Amino acid sequence: SQQGEEDPQALSIQEGENATMNCSYKTSINNLQWYRQNSGRGLVHLILIRSNEREKHSGRLRVTLDTSKKSSSLLITASRAADTASYFCAPLNSGGSNYKLTFGKGTLLTVNP
Amino acid sequence: DTGVSQDPRHKITKRGQNVTFRCDPISEHNRLYWYRQTLGQGPEFLTYFQNEAQLEKSRLLSDRFSAERPKGSFSTLEIQRTEQGDSAMYLCASSLPHGGEQFFGPGTRLTVL
Repeated sequence: SQQGEEDPQALSIQEGENATMNCSYKTSINNLQWYRQNSGRGLVHLILIRSNEREKHSGRLRVTLDTSKKSSSLLITASRAADTASYFCAPLNSGGSNYKLTFGKGTLLTVNP
Repeated sequence: DTGVSQDPRHKITKRGQNVTFRCDPISEHNRLYWYRQTLGQGPEFLTYFQNEAQLEKSRLLSDRFSAERPKGSFSTLEIQRTEQGDSAMYLCASSLPHGGEQFFGPGTRLTVL
């Protein structure tokens, strides 16, 4: 299985602080994607990092990828209450099944006002 | 709104009844996916279509589940003889080829009494 495993399972911070979530996976990937899910907007794609990339930025998001350690991290800077959600990493296989996302249980982030 | 749409958003049924869900993907996306999500878990892959061809079906899908995508446009997921264990959120997603981001619909929440 190519399931991403997120750590920690839950994270509670104050507004304005940074939040870091980690992801580990098992085998070779084509890319790794991060998604956010909250009750209001469903599952939303945040950022995609390819296997030949090491770091990527999008607004307040910063994603790193270390293929030698089979791990990724998502950093949210200057967090807001609206960032409260579950965050999932989803590795995409580099093999024949290069379409199937396998999600872990996610990290539940709570940003307190 | 040109995103992925799903219908119905909620379905309550009695055990043993059949249910059918519909997904309308983003029009130019030839890939379509169904996932299932239970409380506290990430989405689990169910099946995948490329145009009208169903190319993979997860072992999670018993013979009571069937999915179609006639003409490569909308898709339906039918569950026959529903069981309480089928209660979950059923998510549909679509994407362009080449393993890019997947766009998710709002989901259909199924409750089997």
